[in-house]
Amino acid sequence: AQSVTQLDSHVSVSEGTPVLLRCNYSSSYSPSLFWYVQHPNKGLQLLLKYTSAATLVKGINGFEAEFKKSETSFHLTKPSAHMSDAAEYFCVVSDGPGSARQLTFGSGTQLTVLP
Amino acid sequence: NAGVTQTPKFRVLKTGQSMTLLCAQDMNHEYMYWYRQDPGMGLRLIHYSVGEGTTAKGEVPDGYNVSRLKKQNFLLGLESAAPSQTSVYFCASSFTAPDYGYTFGSGTRLTVV
Repeated sequence: AQSVTQLDSHVSVSEGTPVLLRCNYSSSYSPSLFWYVQHPNKGLQLLLKYTSAATLVKGINGFEAEFKKSETSFHLTKPSAHMSDAAEYFCVVSDGPGSARQLTFGSGTQLTVLP
Repeated sequence: NAGVTQTPKFRVLKTGQSMTLLCAQDMNHEYMYWYRQDPGMGLRLIHYSVGEGTTAKGEVPDGYNVSRLKKQNFLLGLESAAPSQTSVYFCASSFTAPDYGYTFGSGTRLTVV
């Protein structure tokens, strides 16, 4: 069975400082990993995904994540936070055989960006 | 605009009432999903469909039914609403397997009183 743990429910950073959102996962197969972002009262938007290619994945809006199999981690980073980055972020794992492959969502990390 | 459209956006139901949530996508996606989002719990899969005429149970299917009579539509039904079903419901679709990434609708906020 697969699972995702987002290690921080809330993260606050100042504008212009680095962002680190932490995610650990467990998987029985070869997982794919994703980060989604949700702005208030909106649906979820795909930020980036890892699907067994390069372990360092670049996404939209300057975000990137590194897949570390030995540490079962997929942390999301951004060098310099912007006010518009304030949102909830979900780490997601895709696992399972064939058409039964499904997404499992972490519980989310709320990112606050302080002026 | 191409994407996933959910109807309605807001709804208040009384306990025991029934309703249907509609999800429509115009991207010719095979896979469609219904999730519920509750504070501190992320998104949990209710039901999903891997093609027209097919449905399957997800993590939390009890109290819900679904139908996929047309490829572009995925309906979520509540036969007898309960306060525990107060939540935000999201529909999503993907071209094939989830690894290609999902396109989400903007959500339906349902309150059961």
